[in-house]
Amino acid sequence: DAGVIQSPRHEVTEMGQEVTLRCKPISGHDYLFWYRQTMMRGLELLIYFNNNVPIDDSGMPEDRFSAKMPNASFSTLKIQPSEPRDSAVYFCASSLGVSTEAFFGQGTRLTVV
Amino acid sequence: GQQVMQIPQYQHVQEGEDFTTYCNSSTTLSNIQWYKQRPGGHPVFLIQLVKSGEVKKQKRLTFQFGEAKKNSSLHITATQTTDVGTYFCAGGATNKLIFGTGTLLAVQP
Repeated sequence: DAGVIQSPRHEVTEMGQEVTLRCKPISGHDYLFWYRQTMMRGLELLIYFNNNVPIDDSGMPEDRFSAKMPNASFSTLKIQPSEPRDSAVYFCASSLGVSTEAFFGQGTRLTVV
Repeated sequence: GQQVMQIPQYQHVQEGEDFTTYCNSSTTLSNIQWYKQRPGGHPVFLIQLVKSGEVKKQKRLTFQFGEAKKNSSLHITATQTTDVGTYFCAGGATNKLIFGTGTLLAVQP
């Protein structure tokens, strides 16, 4: 398995534009997590899915953020409209259980100007 | 809400010196995991502890889970430049894994 795959690796966009981040989890993993990492706030859990169903989205900062998992092999995190304060590294991770070893993707570095 | 704090936030050591980072949770944890993130990289799983008072070793790394299952520590003996990075603990709580604030380790050759 190639591990968790995220795309794009880097994204630079203008304020107000829509941004879509993509993630392919490890096959067979039932849990998928989206994290945001910044210097100020560290590693924050935004949302996680179990068997494609969103379980906890309490970390999603506001309505501009949305996440979907249409099938077991694909998830998206969308920001619309984007703002400069959304600039961060966004990680996707997958695991067999909700608190078992998490496998992280390489991350997407988002810069909103 | 549940929080997991780590100290120190940053540690600079000379190569060969020891290093310890501490992790404290506001609530009892089901397990504790440790991850390492190299500069510019992504968190990579190191180990998981489950039992109260458990101690595990990986070469120069020693991991400990507290008796009350609310704290943990990672100790590195004789640091090397390859140990550079941010070390995160992550506590297993009700229906989620809560990451600590991380400790950035710098090692001077």
